[in-house]
Amino acid sequence: DTEVTQTPKHLVMGMTNKKSLKCEQHMGHRAMYWYKQKAKKPPELMFVYSYEKLSINESVPSRFSPECPNSSLLNLHLHALQPEDSALYLCASSQRDYRTYEQYFGPGTRLTVT
Amino acid sequence: QKEVEQNSGPLSVPEGAIASLNCTYSDRVSQSFFWYRQYSGKSPELIMSIYSNGDKEDGRFTAQLNKASQYVSLLIRDSQPSDSATYLCAVNGGSGGSNYKLTFGKGTLLTVNP
Repeated sequence: DTEVTQTPKHLVMGMTNKKSLKCEQHMGHRAMYWYKQKAKKPPELMFVYSYEKLSINESVPSRFSPECPNSSLLNLHLHALQPEDSALYLCASSQRDYRTYEQYFGPGTRLTVT
Repeated sequence: QKEVEQNSGPLSVPEGAIASLNCTYSDRVSQSFFWYRQYSGKSPELIMSIYSNGDKEDGRFTAQLNKASQYVSLLIRDSQPSDSATYLCAVNGGSGGSNYKLTFGKGTLLTVNP
C-alpha cells in the first residue's frame, strides 16, 4: 500500500483567511514533505519533516506554517496568502532509507487564493 | 547547483511504438534516480526507481542508468494512449548533505497517438 491522502481536494480562500491543509500516510514512513506545483512546472520542495522534526525549510515565506503532530500526519497552515500562492500543494512521504528515499505523493490540494 | 535536464517535448509516438525519454544530471555523486508519471491535473506517480548502472525492467517500462555519462532514460514499450502524460525525471542523494531533496527535471510531455 503506497497511499498518501490529502484533504481537502480543492480550497478557495481569500487573502485574509486562515486555512489548513492535511496529509496522512499509514505506510510507516518517517519522512514527510510538502511541495508546491505551478502549472507546467515540476514540484518545488517547501518543507521536509524527518521523525516529526523539521529537517528542511526551503526559505518558504512565513505565511506557510508546517506542523507534524505525529509520524502519520502532516499539516500546512495557511495565513494571509497572496494570489500568486495559488497552486497544487502536494504532500509526499518516504522511508528514511539512506539509499532509496522513494517518495510517494498524495493526490494534492488545488488551492486558489482570491 | 544541481541540475536535471530533460527534453520538454512534446514527444509524439504512434500506438504500439517504443517511447524513449532521456534525462541528464549534473551532480556526479547522485545516488538515486526516479521516473514519475503525471497526468494533467493529477499528482506525480512513481513508476520506476533505479540505483545501479544498467537496466531495470518492470512490465512495459525499462529504466537505464549510466553514471559515467550521468544519463538516465526510460523506455516505454508497446506505448498506449493511456501512457500520454508528462514524465518527470528526479534525482537525489549526492553532494549537499541531504538525501531527502529530489531535484526534478522540467518534464517531458509524451503523446501516444492511436
